Amino acid sequence: GAVVSQHPSWVICKSGTSVKIECRSLDFQATTMFWYRQFPKQSLMLMATSNEGSKATYEQGVEKDKFLINHASLTLSTLTVTSAHPEDSSFYICSARVADWNEQFFGPGTRLTVL
Amino acid sequence: GQNIDQPTEMTATEGAIVQINCTYQTSGFNGLFWYQQHAGEAPTFLSYNVLDGLEEKGRFSSFLSRSKGYSYLLLKELQMKDSASYLCAVTDSNYQLIWGAGTKLIIKP
Repeated sequence: GAVVSQHPSWVICKSGTSVKIECRSLDFQATTMFWYRQFPKQSLMLMATSNEGSKATYEQGVEKDKFLINHASLTLSTLTVTSAHPEDSSFYICSARVADWNEQFFGPGTRLTVL
Repeated sequence: GQNIDQPTEMTATEGAIVQINCTYQTSGFNGLFWYQQHAGEAPTFLSYNVLDGLEEKGRFSSFLSRSKGYSYLLLKELQMKDSASYLCAVTDSNYQLIWGAGTKLIIKP
């Protein structure tokens, strides 16, 4: 099956610093990548949808200047949490999709803790 | 608005059968997914239904009725490792995935 990797798998940082999370599709080219956030005991919350070579589409309530998404190639998307604060601590999960009709393949997630 | 409903939590006994229901109201329909998510891990794909009927895959089966906006996931011969959250998600007319809140399944010996 299709494999999606995320790096790092966990990160601890100080308040005010920026953190970059990478999402890679290892054995396929993803036309679309998605970034989700999941707080404890809650379901996935879609943050943004990104297509290779174009600007990401952010969901309502998600600050695009705080959560910078770059989708530079068909196999790599990055999410940068700028000026992170403790309330940004969460489980961040990316997924990748080949075409509109296809299932989303999820990365293993990145657990961010902001002190 | 778009809405997906599934029970918050269910409890079942090891070796038994459990059915997790999902009802949806979305703008358009292009398929329904079931995902399994263990605590602290990302979701993993279980099944995809786009036509009415039952899809069977080993111990897991998924059913869809588009006219009723209804699906269920059936788990047979339950094992302790099946303790997880089960997420129902529908692809709408824009091919956007709309997620349910998930059903936490607790398996007891």
